[in-house]
Amino acid sequence: ETGVTQTPRHLVMGMTNKKSLKCEQHLGHNAMYWYKQSAKKPLELMFVYSLEERVENNSVPSRFSPECPNSSHLFLHLHTLQPEDSALYLCASSQESGNTIYFGEGSWLTVV
Amino acid sequence: GENVEQHPSTLSVQEGDSAVIKCTYSDSASNYFPWYKQELGKRPQLIIDIRSNVGEKKDQRIAVTLNKTAKHFSLHITETQPEDSAVYFCAARGLYNNNDMRFGAGTRLTVKP
Repeated sequence: ETGVTQTPRHLVMGMTNKKSLKCEQHLGHNAMYWYKQSAKKPLELMFVYSLEERVENNSVPSRFSPECPNSSHLFLHLHTLQPEDSALYLCASSQESGNTIYFGEGSWLTVV
Repeated sequence: GENVEQHPSTLSVQEGDSAVIKCTYSDSASNYFPWYKQELGKRPQLIIDIRSNVGEKKDQRIAVTLNKTAKHFSLHITETQPEDSAVYFCAARGLYNNNDMRFGAGTRLTVKP
């Protein structure tokens, strides 16, 4: 099942680099999310886009910048990250009026 | 906002035994409680969910119970098998924010053959 696809699956970047994570959903959903998953911590909601408008930002540092050009695509632009930003970044989607969130496989990010 | 706590953080059982994972939530207005299973290196996948108008739901070897008064819900896995080994996450969704799903920290379940 490839409803939510994330690329790249693995990324190593230096603290001065600029990179982007990409997410695409093929489920016809109208809400998309970025979650951060660190060891022994709850999944942290970073951003929510509903109908292509950002509705939630949970005080994420500005070095993370999301972009949602349409209801099927979501990006996370990364700039001057810190080593503590190393984690698994999960994209997800849902129907705004529904409840079930479907996750992608995640992008493993290592900041060196 | 919603706060979800999950216990235990690790759980080891013998194959065939039952496993129980418990979660508590803070927002009494929450009305949807899913459980996700994440196998090593894979995405979290929904395995069962329950809504606040139901006290219990069962799907084969998996069941979830909800106590709205006490604001806690539990996942029960019976007749565990080695392939049940994974990290399990509970979550709660607030009534007034359809897009805000809050997750517990996860429980690493190991089923020993």
